[in-house]
Amino acid sequence: DAGVTQSPTHLIKTRGQQVTLRCSPKSGHDTVSWYQQALGQGPQFIFQYYEEEERQRGNFPDRFSGHQFPNYSSELNVNALLLGDSALYLCASSLSGANVLTFGAGSRLTVL
Amino acid sequence: DAKTTQPPSMDCAEGRAANLPCNHSTISGNEYVYWYRQIHSQGPQYIIHGLKNNETNEMASLIITEDRKSSTLILPHATLRDTAVYYCIVRDQGNTPLVFGKGTRLSVIA
Repeated sequence: DAGVTQSPTHLIKTRGQQVTLRCSPKSGHDTVSWYQQALGQGPQFIFQYYEEEERQRGNFPDRFSGHQFPNYSSELNVNALLLGDSALYLCASSLSGANVLTFGAGSRLTVL
Repeated sequence: DAKTTQPPSMDCAEGRAANLPCNHSTISGNEYVYWYRQIHSQGPQYIIHGLKNNETNEMASLIITEDRKSSTLILPHATLRDTAVYYCIVRDQGNTPLVFGKGTRLSVIA
């Protein structure tokens, strides 16, 4: 049973560009959450998607947006990239109302 | 902000028990204590959670004090593969996001 898969694993962008990261949740899960992890810090919650809608959002600007598809997979989009957006972006899936999140290995974004 | 306080780092000899403390003095009655760990270059991995009773699973034991203001994660026989950052998180049930602090970096030494 595949867990959470994320792509790409690594990517490099320049300031001002846009990036799209992708996530396929664990089989049977219907809720996807995205986290940003800067070097040396714990993950920070960006937003959560359920039934193709953003259900909760953390303290991130509107440059960060997302989408969930009917098959429960999700995308994270970041516009107008800043150097400070360099981080590991983690996707986590769960069954709505369940207690445990399953995380993917992340997508490491470097902004030059 | 994270509602927990953990030591930044700890060492443990291989084969010995690793006891990781966590303070959560402002925990509310409906909040659970969760533990996740993150091995280098991987995503966080769920370990265990509990409300007020001690819990045990195949990975670890969780001891919560009677006043629920602190807890201890116990890895009974630490191995080199247990070297990781361990996060203690307090959280409501259901869909509430996880709020991570900086965690405790556990180094298991041969």
